[in-house]
Amino acid sequence: RKEVEQDPGPFNVPEGATVAFNCTYSNSASQSFFWYRQDCRKEPKLLMSVYSSGNEDGRFTAQLNRASQYISLLIRDSKLSDSATYLCVVIPIQGAQKLVFGQGTRLTINP
Amino acid sequence: NAGVTQTPKFRILKIGQSMTLQCTQDMNHNYMYWYRQDPGMGLKLIYYSVGAGITDKGEVPNGYNVSRSTTEDFPLRLELAAPSQTSVYFCASSYSSNWPFFGQGTRLTVV
Repeated sequence: RKEVEQDPGPFNVPEGATVAFNCTYSNSASQSFFWYRQDCRKEPKLLMSVYSSGNEDGRFTAQLNRASQYISLLIRDSKLSDSATYLCVVIPIQGAQKLVFGQGTRLTINP
Repeated sequence: NAGVTQTPKFRILKIGQSMTLQCTQDMNHNYMYWYRQDPGMGLKLIYYSVGAGITDKGEVPNGYNVSRSTTEDFPLRLELAAPSQTSVYFCASSYSSNWPFFGQGTRLTVV
């Protein structure tokens, strides 16, 4: 089993729709979680951290389910500019030097 | 602040040639990383450093070398380039167990 797994997609959704995707992790002792966004031919950029209590940033909501070992990202009222690849990142208990990236989920928002 | 700066942005190498990918950060981050990303794939860790003078192997270190003589700089050396090293290389930095901040990447083609 991979340390971090994501559905690679692609997800194609119409503008204005709500879309959600998950990321599962295998190490139950993992300590920190993040979502990154990567545009085509660009570097990954931090989208948001994922806290135990869940967190929201505008149209984006991230949640952590430690019991089932997954994190989720929900995008409401999707915009064309949300088209990108979304990467989940997990920092294990050993520290940030061992952080692991998922392979990414590709999202395309259609007009 | 410039953040994480990588040079060059693009490079074509012939098989067997060597080169150094430069990476410098001005955020006084203690952790630095080198990743490679092949088309449609996630990021794979090549080498990382938790501070000046300390480096360690990641998931795919073969064919590469690094050094960390200062906090700011973390060059990646390719010896005897091979077509399998054609990839996009990202340097990143972070404070300890925090999220990494990426450079813009170096696109390397080995022919």
